Amino acid sequence: ETGVTQTPRHLVMGMTNKKSLKCEQHLGHNAMYWYKQSAKKPLELMFVYSLEERVENNSVPSRFSPECPNSSHLFLHLHTLQPEDSALYLCASSLDRTDTQYFGPGTRLTVL
Amino acid sequence: AQSVTQPDIHITVSEGASLELRCNYSYGATPYLFWYVQSPGQGLQLLLKYFSGDTLVQGIKGFEAEFKRSQSSFNLRKPSVHWSDAAEYFCAVGAGGSNYKLTFGKGTLLTVNP
Repeated sequence: ETGVTQTPRHLVMGMTNKKSLKCEQHLGHNAMYWYKQSAKKPLELMFVYSLEERVENNSVPSRFSPECPNSSHLFLHLHTLQPEDSALYLCASSLDRTDTQYFGPGTRLTVL
Repeated sequence: AQSVTQPDIHITVSEGASLELRCNYSYGATPYLFWYVQSPGQGLQLLLKYFSGDTLVQGIKGFEAEFKRSQSSFNLRKPSVHWSDAAEYFCAVGAGGSNYKLTFGKGTLLTVNP
């Protein structure tokens, strides 16, 4: 595997479910990001991790909980989501916080 | 705070025609500028970037972009469009030392007619 991978690619969940999104980067990068892409809206930065430490939480509701166990893996834990949380969730990584970001293919999330 | 405007929501061109996608940014200092492309159901792929130096930057797939400080623009161009270029294109600006705070435009959807 190369680049940035995300699993699952598609996820349907009810409002009371708990699920997790996974991101893995094979680029030797030290920074990782979660973005939300909704229809008709620009990409929204959600979280930034640098060297496994969270450096940005962009006013994201607590029903989204990130986890970065090491510099290659990033998770987004989801619980009690709302239908408006349905979106494409993109993971990205970069060599460090100032370098170019490379994106994964995304997880298409639908909340019923 | 920085901002990005992509004035064209949707552009249609014929295959073989030239292309220019517009991007205007707002940022107080020298920006870091990017163009990404997104095919349906896919993530974003970096086309090119400008950090400093030559204001005309070359990217992948035959794309180029020119940074014009006086116009606060970073327009993307391609001399001859291929059907495979049909996708959505995003311009983004990064704030120098805090480059991780990328601000994206809303995107321009490109349709290519045969």
